[in-house]
Amino acid sequence: EVQLVESGGGLVKPGGSLRLSCAASGFNFTNSDMTWVRQAPGKGLDWVSSIRSNSRYIYYADSVKGRFVISRDNAKNSLYLQMNGLRADDTAVYYCARQGVDYEFDYWGQGTPVTVSS
Amino acid sequence: QSALTQPASVSGSPGQAITISCTGTTTDINDFNYVSWYQQHPGKAPKLMIFGVGNRPSGVSNRFSGSKSGNTASLTISGLQAEDEADYYCASYTPIRTLDVLFGGGTKLTVL
Repeated sequence: EVQLVESGGGLVKPGGSLRLSCAASGFNFTNSDMTWVRQAPGKGLDWVSSIRSNSRYIYYADSVKGRFVISRDNAKNSLYLQMNGLRADDTAVYYCARQGVDYEFDYWGQGTPVTVSS
Repeated sequence: QSALTQPASVSGSPGQAITISCTGTTTDINDFNYVSWYQQHPGKAPKLMIFGVGNRPSGVSNRFSGSKSGNTASLTISGLQAEDEADYYCASYTPIRTLDVLFGGGTKLTVL
């Protein structure tokens, strides 16, 4: 059974940092491209960042470029999102998802909430 | 980056068919067959319903179908059922700058 389990969310003050983790199981993580997608309260889905299987190619949304860093550890079947310089508009549920060959997101975690507030 | 454009809401009666549109540009939907659709019920994670414009993952009902014409993709749900009431999002690959995927703003489907 495919499982993606996010962790690391919580309440942080503006300007602060958080590191999200996503533990993967049930599929070949090493050969899978991975993505972070977020959803602000009452809003739609917002693509954040993607990383290819070998970490050679990395992509960021304009809204997080220069503040967020995506990474992965294939030996640990884990995906990460280091979030720095957090702002109120980064408040959202953050989902990790596997990205398929047609750029679709075929498996999703349950999400971890991040709240940026003083 | 600009999101793909979806209607905010659509509605239909049980048994009817509805179509949700998703409009992009020549640098995403028009140029690539990498359109996907997601269903999201309140408080739940999104679920992949269509990928590669018109392909259904295993386990997704054949009442769901996808298509594309020019820079507009469409999701059609036939034989509407109460459990289809949810938010639906389209997404497309884009090669612009350091981006990878764009989402639509989402469409709330109400089954009357």
